[in-house]
This record gives sequence, C-alpha cells and structure tokens, in this order.
Amino acid sequence: EAQVTQNPRYLITVTGKKLTVTCSQNMNHEYMSWYRQDPGLGLRQIYYSMNVEVTDKGDVPEGYKVSRKEKRNFPLILESPSPNQTSLYFCASTTNRDAFSYEQYFGPGTRLTVT
Amino acid sequence: DQQVKQNSPSLSVQEGRISILNCDYTNSMFDYFLWYKKYPAEGPTFLISISSIKDKNEDGRFTVFLNKSAKHLSLHIVPSQPGDSAVYFCAASAGGAQKLVFGQGTRLTINP
Repeated sequence: EAQVTQNPRYLITVTGKKLTVTCSQNMNHEYMSWYRQDPGLGLRQIYYSMNVEVTDKGDVPEGYKVSRKEKRNFPLILESPSPNQTSLYFCASTTNRDAFSYEQYFGPGTRLTVT
Repeated sequence: DQQVKQNSPSLSVQEGRISILNCDYTNSMFDYFLWYKKYPAEGPTFLISISSIKDKNEDGRFTVFLNKSAKHLSLHIVPSQPGDSAVYFCAASAGGAQKLVFGQGTRLTINP
C-alpha cells in the first residue's frame, strides 16, 4: 500500500529536550516536505527536499532542522524545542515525474506538545 | 502575509444541497490550485485540482472553478453528503510540485 508514515503520532516533551519526528514514504517520490498546522493559520511549510541531500527552507523554518540521506526518509529535528512549537505536524511527498500533477501525499500527522 | 485565504472558517449545509467553499489568493504567479480534504486524526487527502489555463474542472460531485481576474477559486459539492463533513484546504503552487501554499481551511458540516 502506497503511504507516508510518521512516528511518533503523539509526543509530549519538555522545553529544550531534543527530539526527532521520523517520516518515511514507499512511493519512490523525489519531493518531501514538512508542514505544521495551527488554528487559523492552516498548513505552513517548514522545510522541503527535492531529492537526496537537497533541502531548502519553507515559510517557517526557524527552530527546525531536516536531513535527507535516503530517498524514502525525511526526519524533522527539533534541537531545542520551545512551547511555540506545539503544533500538529505533517510530512508529505510527491513526484516530479508527472509535470501536470502537483498532488502531495500526506502522512497521518504528529501531535507535538512542548511544556 | 497570507497569500491564500479562506475567509469562512466554517460552513453548514443541508444534506443534498450544494456546498460552495471559497478561496482567494494574492500571488499572480500561482499557476496550479488544489483542494484537500481532512478528517480528524488523519492527514489531508487530495480532492481535485485545476491549472491556471482552465477555468473549470469536474470530478464526479466535485467541481472547482477558477476566476483568474478576481484571483478567486471555489469548490462546489453537489449533492452534499454526510461523509463530506471535513475540513477543506485550498492550496496553490507557483511553478513547482514541491512548494504548496495553503489556506487556513474551512470546516464543512453536512446536516442530515
């Protein structure tokens, strides 16, 4: 089954304790992205990757790091989480093989609470 | 600066009637528009899209209309069904699949 998986689904942590949210896709997609969803703000892009070892900032990258060492994985790293990073996070992937399809496939989400 | 805006946070529609969800954008470089549907505790799923070279695209009960001069798009659902109750996001792209800009979302409730 084609899918994007994220782990963990739920996480409660404390300020300053480093954490990693994993994302994996099995569709051989070149593009992967991280978004955060906040009330009244919709989905905002944090970072994206166009292929292995190629990453770039989205609209709200501050406080986050990413890496893309393998095509299927795109982990999101919070080196020193703060309460304003409490949010619902989504990983997504898509392909550039179809020039007319911009559909992104989303994971189920990770709800992060930083106290 | 919100480049894609959905000004109605919520919408309630009777089952069987038409649901119309609206979206406005400010960036004239956007050339591709999508609608996503999101159920609680799930990720958004793709619903329908439209290229800027078109003004209408249909897929079953779902139709998206694009008015480029007004920088406005809308999603029509006819007839509305209880399973359509969800949050709907519009999204836009300026020439790349990797970078979508999303609106705030509209929560649609279909009443029996």
